[in-house]
Amino acid sequence: DIQMTQSPSAMSASVGDRVTITCRASQGISNYLAWFQQKPGKVPKRLIYATSSLQSGVPSRFSGSGSGTEFTLTINSLQPEDFATYYCLQHDTYPPSFGQGTKLEIK
Amino acid sequence: QVQLVQSGTEVKKPGASVKITCKSSGFIFTDYYIHWVRQAPGQGLEWMGINDPGGEGTSHAQKFRDRVTMTGDSSSRTVYMELNSLRSEDTAVYYCVRDSGGSDGFDIWGQGTMVTVSS
Repeated sequence: DIQMTQSPSAMSASVGDRVTITCRASQGISNYLAWFQQKPGKVPKRLIYATSSLQSGVPSRFSGSGSGTEFTLTINSLQPEDFATYYCLQHDTYPPSFGQGTKLEIK
Repeated sequence: QVQLVQSGTEVKKPGASVKITCKSSGFIFTDYYIHWVRQAPGQGLEWMGINDPGGEGTSHAQKFRDRVTMTGDSSSRTVYMELNSLRSEDTAVYYCVRDSGGSDGFDIWGQGTMVTVSS
């Protein structure tokens, strides 16, 4: 099974900051990598699919990149509504696997 | 409107079973896979298994293999997930999730079903 190691597990940042979250796969995967945002008590929301494709309706300050075993989610100019928990998901190889999450808090 | 609507909150005793429904609308039911993902309180997301309403069967995570059954009914556009021999560690929100099978999968999520296992 592929393990997705997400880092950091938690971080604090200020409004306006640029933030990068990383997911490392235990073995190389294709571009079947997605990023989700989840707020407390809410359903996960897909932000990025196919590594770098922006979900319709998601602000352009969110971007994804990467290949092979290392993938990143970047949020430019953090907004108050961006403080949440973020998860990566690889669905290239079965079973699909999520990163353990990154909790992004306000500094 | 493309959506997955799940059944409501469940409270079960240890050893019991729970069956969650996930009804689809707004898309061709048999063109998509349905995954089940769960999230224990304060924890991350955990993939449980996949059902293919188009007829190619199911696949489950190894840890659930002996306890979970996933089925689908094309006539009602509904997928079901039954988890048996419940224990306290199964207390979680359970989600059904649509997947085209391509790189754009996991796009539509049900609203979640809270299952509490408690004596």
